[in-house]
Amino acid sequence: EAQVTQNPRYLITVTGKKLTVTCSQNMNHEYMSWYRQDPGLGLRQIYYSMNVEVTDKGDVPEGYKVSRKEKRNFPLILESPSPNQTSLYFCASSSEGQGMDEQYFGPGTRLTVT
Amino acid sequence: GEDVEQSLFLSVREGDSSVINCTYTDSSSTYLYWYKQEPGAGLQLLTYIFSNMDMKQDQRLTVLLNKKDKHLSLRIADTQTGDSAIYFCAEVFSGGYNKLIFGAGTRLAVHP
Repeated sequence: EAQVTQNPRYLITVTGKKLTVTCSQNMNHEYMSWYRQDPGLGLRQIYYSMNVEVTDKGDVPEGYKVSRKEKRNFPLILESPSPNQTSLYFCASSSEGQGMDEQYFGPGTRLTVT
Repeated sequence: GEDVEQSLFLSVREGDSSVINCTYTDSSSTYLYWYKQEPGAGLQLLTYIFSNMDMKQDQRLTVLLNKKDKHLSLRIADTQTGDSAIYFCAEVFSGGYNKLIFGAGTRLAVHP
């Protein structure tokens, strides 16, 4: 089954404790991205990757890092999480970075930073 | 900059039609999307429309695009309780890569 998976689905952590949210897709997609969803703000893009070893900042990259060492994986790293990073995070992928390509979304990771 | 706006709540009676409205600012957007998010789930692509189209119909869904006013709407005919969800309007950023600019989402509540 074609899908985007994220782990963990739920995470509660404390300020400053490094964490990684994994994202994996099995569709051989070149383009992957991370969004965060906050009430009243919709989804905002954090980082995106056009292909292996190619990543770039989205609209809200502060406090996040990503890597793309393999085509299927695109982990999101919070080196020193803060409470304002409490949010619902979605990973997405599409075959290419073109407008008409449907983006497939993962199920989301709900992160709480205390 | 890019911006997409939509009202936050809509309540309809089961069996009635729902109309969710959206306005966007990037006149160069080539594609506009509607996504559905059910509780605890990710986003599911409902439908999309090319910017050179005025209307697209897909079973109970009708998308209307007024490019002059940069206004997009989603009509759901014969709304059912299973349609209760958050609906996101999104435009494709025209800057050359597949970034979606989302609205805040409209929470649709369907009551008997």
